[in-house]
Amino acid sequence: AQSVTQPDIHITVSEGASLELRCNYSYGATPYLFWYVQSPGQGLQLLLKYFSGDTLVQGIKGFEAEFKRSQSSFNLRKPSVHWSDAAEYFCAVGAGIQGAQKLVFGQGTRLTINP
Amino acid sequence: GAVVSQHPSWVICKSGTSVKIECRSLDFQATTMFWYRQFPKQSLMLMATSNEGSKATYEQGVEKDKFLINHASLTLSTLTVTSAHPEDSSFYICSASDRTYTEAFFGQGTRLTVV
Repeated sequence: AQSVTQPDIHITVSEGASLELRCNYSYGATPYLFWYVQSPGQGLQLLLKYFSGDTLVQGIKGFEAEFKRSQSSFNLRKPSVHWSDAAEYFCAVGAGIQGAQKLVFGQGTRLTINP
Repeated sequence: GAVVSQHPSWVICKSGTSVKIECRSLDFQATTMFWYRQFPKQSLMLMATSNEGSKATYEQGVEKDKFLINHASLTLSTLTVTSAHPEDSSFYICSASDRTYTEAFFGQGTRLTVV
């Protein structure tokens, strides 16, 4: 069965600094990979997704992620964070018969931004 | 992208009563819907998968008699929490898709508080 690990439960960065959130997955074949963001008390917003093709994926709000098959990773990056980026970030993998529709989520990484 | 709407956004109910949460696909016919649950400060866990016109498939450990799922039409799935107790307080979120989409689309979630 597929699984997702987000090693960092909580990350704090200064506004304007660069950001990298780690995500590792476990699945035998090429998975469908997603990054979602969740503000407190809110639903999920899709930042970006990887299905196939170019391994560097551009998303909304200036985020990007790189799929590295050799490392089973799909890390999320942003060159310069803004205070509004403070939120919970979830990496997810979709695989199996229902492909990208049925997702397994990582534990989430809470991002705090220092002014 | 496709739009999925959940109702209500939040609900407070008394212990022992039942609560119904609706998940609607607004601009497509959802042949498959997924229900997830998120405890405070935790990740999203899949509860069940429902296909239109058939019984839902529940994940291991989810009580099917407590969490009744009905997917009676191609645009509506409902989750009923029966005889709710404080430990059922959680954030419930649905996603929906059909065969033409690779991925599923999330509703905004429902915050259930049982008092």
